[in-house]
Amino acid sequence: SQQGEEDPQALSIQEGENATMNCSYKTSINNLQWYRQNSGRGLVHLILIRSNEREKHSGRLRVTLDTSKKSSSLLITASRAADTASYFCATGLGTSYGKLTFGQGTILTVHP
Amino acid sequence: DTAVSQTPKYLVTQMGNDKSIKCEQNLGHDTMYWYKQDSKKFLKIMFSYNNKELIINETVPNRFSPKSPDKAHLNLHINSLELGDSAVYFCASNGGPTQQETQYFGPGTRLLVL
Repeated sequence: SQQGEEDPQALSIQEGENATMNCSYKTSINNLQWYRQNSGRGLVHLILIRSNEREKHSGRLRVTLDTSKKSSSLLITASRAADTASYFCATGLGTSYGKLTFGQGTILTVHP
Repeated sequence: DTAVSQTPKYLVTQMGNDKSIKCEQNLGHDTMYWYKQDSKKFLKIMFSYNNKELIINETVPNRFSPKSPDKAHLNLHINSLELGDSAVYFCASNGGPTQQETQYFGPGTRLLVL
């Protein structure tokens, strides 16, 4: 069954605004990752947060993880039109083979 | 220098045909994956190979057969194609020892079965 569920399914904002996407999952995890998919392209890894971490930053990205609520959020600050893409969360169990289970994604549209 | 490449990029074929998709990675990774992304963008793992050995085989019809001739290549052969096989198929490889869970994706193969 699908592990991650993302909310909202679609988000439309203006350039310069912040975008927040949420992800919930069902089972215990070792790590949670966020990926971006531009239209017609493959997924690109953005950031990984481990189950013993609560917050992580990378440039304009901020990820939080709440293992008690089995949820994570991705915040993109000062969004740009180039941030327009689908964003997926994926949960990992920490095995050496790195199996990931993906959510259904949030479609983010940033209007110039 | 493309890290994970797939061929073909587009594949249009008739129901009942047999087709193959090829994937190659030049990252030196040991683990490779096939994912299927449906029309609702839901991405589901199909297979995983580690150093030419099948590791993950999710509930996939046996019309789908992966083959890994070496750890840099993972091909997907599909027999007797059905309409429901229409999707985008992504190959991915797993990061090295310091990034074991990070996956690197190919550009996808868009399969349309008519």
